[in-house]
Amino acid sequence: NAGVTQTPKFQVLKTGQSMTLQCAQDMNHEYMSWYRQDPGMGLRLIHYSVGAGITDQGEVPNGYNVSRSTTEDFPLRLLSAAPSQTSVYFCASRTGGYGYGYTFGSGTRLTVV
Amino acid sequence: QKEVEQDPGPLSVPEGAIVSLNCTYSNSAFQYFMWYRQYSRKGPELLMYTYSSGNKEDGRFTAQVDKSSKYISLFIRDSQPSDSATYLCAASGAGGTSYGKLTFGQGTILTVHP
Repeated sequence: NAGVTQTPKFQVLKTGQSMTLQCAQDMNHEYMSWYRQDPGMGLRLIHYSVGAGITDQGEVPNGYNVSRSTTEDFPLRLLSAAPSQTSVYFCASRTGGYGYGYTFGSGTRLTVV
Repeated sequence: QKEVEQDPGPLSVPEGAIVSLNCTYSNSAFQYFMWYRQYSRKGPELLMYTYSSGNKEDGRFTAQVDKSSKYISLFIRDSQPSDSATYLCAASGAGGTSYGKLTFGQGTILTVHP
């Protein structure tokens, strides 16, 4: 049971490049989310999903796309990277049962130059 | 204005002190409240989980929710240097889409010195 796995752990992009951050969970969780974390800002929700085929926007969705074709995977796509997207990105998943919060991955540190 | 507000600190206390961490929220639909702990360069981990108003205790940690004043608290008794971390409060609504959308505060940086 690996939990929530994020790849890559580190990435440097040039402005305008696109890339996909991968997220996979092996806990059969219905809910999955992507957050970004910047100093002094806490965790801000980018996109989330309540099940395969269902996604919705969070607080800061601009410049990011998601899709969820399977329960296990929830990739985050940066369409045209900008320096403002330099951040630490966390993927998380949770079950619908009471008492269970989100389980987080170890994060992807992204720098856009 | 953010839906969940948290004083970012930083907060520095001596070992053995009682620590009080607080958040306020503005969305009346929030029903589930959580506290996460995040060590440096790690992902957040769930510390406490409460539903609606009331107290919940787990070892040295006590979480309180007062829905009438929209106030969330975490108390740490007999604090230890290993408690040094960032503490994040979070809240979500109940059912369906609302349950999946977890909103976080800014996080409070806590240092417990020996």
